Amino acid sequence: ETGVTQTPRHLVMGMTNKKSLKCEQHLGHNAMYWYKQSAKKPLELMFVYNFKEQTENNSVPSRFSPECPNSSHLFLHLHTLQPEDSALYLCASSQAGGGAYEQYFGPGTRLTVT
Amino acid sequence: DQQVKQNSPSLSVQEGRISILNCDYTNSMFDYFLWYKKYPAEGPTFLISISSIKDKNEDGRFTVFLNKSAKHLSLHIVPSQPGDSAVYFCAANTLTGYSTLTFGKGTMLLVSP
Repeated sequence: ETGVTQTPRHLVMGMTNKKSLKCEQHLGHNAMYWYKQSAKKPLELMFVYNFKEQTENNSVPSRFSPECPNSSHLFLHLHTLQPEDSALYLCASSQAGGGAYEQYFGPGTRLTVT
Repeated sequence: DQQVKQNSPSLSVQEGRISILNCDYTNSMFDYFLWYKKYPAEGPTFLISISSIKDKNEDGRFTVFLNKSAKHLSLHIVPSQPGDSAVYFCAANTLTGYSTLTFGKGTMLLVSP
């Protein structure tokens, strides 16, 4: 595997379910990110991890819970979601530190909450 | 309030012609700008970037221009090809601190043969 991978690619879940999204990067990066892309909106940054430490939580509701066990893996745990949480969830990685590093994105998980 | 704005949701261009995608920003702290391209069912892929110490950066058919005083940047694609049809996102960042990109809403480019 190369680059940034995400599983599953598609997920349908009920509002009472608990599920997790997984992201893995094979680029040797030390920063990982979760983004949400809703229809007709910009990509919204949700969480940032640098060297496994969460450095940014962009006012995300607690029903989204990230986990970064190491620099290569990132999870997004989902519970009691709402229909408006249906969106494309993108994971990205980059070198850590200053901002002159481009981020590499995975293909995304298309989430539908019913 | 959107800090990075792409005011044209879509753009249609004929193959061989120039495509110009525009982006405006409001935060004067931004000093590093990137363009990403996104095909359906794929994540965004990095295309080209420019730092605020430059006003132009070129990579093959792609050129990004930055006008700091106007807080405006543009991506020129010449010549445009049908394979360039995608959504293009402008993103901005600061060179200090951690890397957190602020994205525009994107412009869908359609290049017709």
